[in-house]
Amino acid sequence: GESVGLHLPTLSVQEGDNSIINCAYSNSASDYFIWYKQESGKGPQFIIDIRSNMDKRQGQRVTVLLNKTVKHLSLQIAATQPGDSAVYFCAEIWTGNQFYFGTGTSLTVIP
Amino acid sequence: EPEVTQTPSHQVTQMGQEVILRCVPISNHLYFYWYRQILGQKVEFLVSFYNNEISEKSEIFDDQFSVERPDGSNFTLKIRSTKLEDSAMYFCASSEEASGTGELFFGEGSRLTVL
Repeated sequence: GESVGLHLPTLSVQEGDNSIINCAYSNSASDYFIWYKQESGKGPQFIIDIRSNMDKRQGQRVTVLLNKTVKHLSLQIAATQPGDSAVYFCAEIWTGNQFYFGTGTSLTVIP
Repeated sequence: EPEVTQTPSHQVTQMGQEVILRCVPISNHLYFYWYRQILGQKVEFLVSFYNNEISEKSEIFDDQFSVERPDGSNFTLKIRSTKLEDSAMYFCASSEEASGTGELFFGEGSRLTVL
C-alpha cells in the first residue's frame, strides 16, 4: 500500500552543525506535505509545509526540499541547537482530510 | 497563542471499560481530528469531523469508537469497550481550513493505558 517512511530512524549532530532529515513517500498524487516536530510527551508541532507545485520552501532556520521525481522530501535545519532535539515526522495528504505520517526520525543534538 | 487542549492527560482503565477523551479545539477552527500514536510508532489518523459529522475515518476507527461535539467547544472521542491494544497516546487536532490548505494544530495528547 501507499506509505510515508523515513530513511533513518536516528540522527545525531553536533550543536551548530546543519541537520538533514529525509523522508520518502510513495504516492505521486500527494500534493501537500508537512514536517512536524514532536518533543517527548508532547503533541506534534508544525514546522513547515510545502505544496507539490514547489521544490523548496524556507522558514526560520529550516528549509524543506521536495523532489517529486524520486518522491523524496527533506528537512534541513541550519545551526542545529539543543532545543531541536526531538522526533521529526513528515506527513503527506493525498486524500480528503487525512494526513499520513511517517515513522519519525529521532534527532539528537550533541552540545 | 490559541491552543488545542486535551483532558485527561493520562487515563488508566480496565479492559472492557468505556473511556471518553475530551478536547477543546481552537475556537475559530472548523475541522477536528483524532489521531493515535502507539508508543514508539507513527501517528495514525483515526477520524476527521466537520459540520457536526464525521467526514472521514480510518480502518482503525471501528464500531467501538465514536466522536461527538456535544456543545460549541468540546470534541470528544469515546471508546466503548477498551482493549489492551487501545493503549496509546490520543491526539486531538483542529484546523481552520481543510487539511489540504491549512495547518493542523495538535493538542498535547491524552495517554490511555488499558490494563
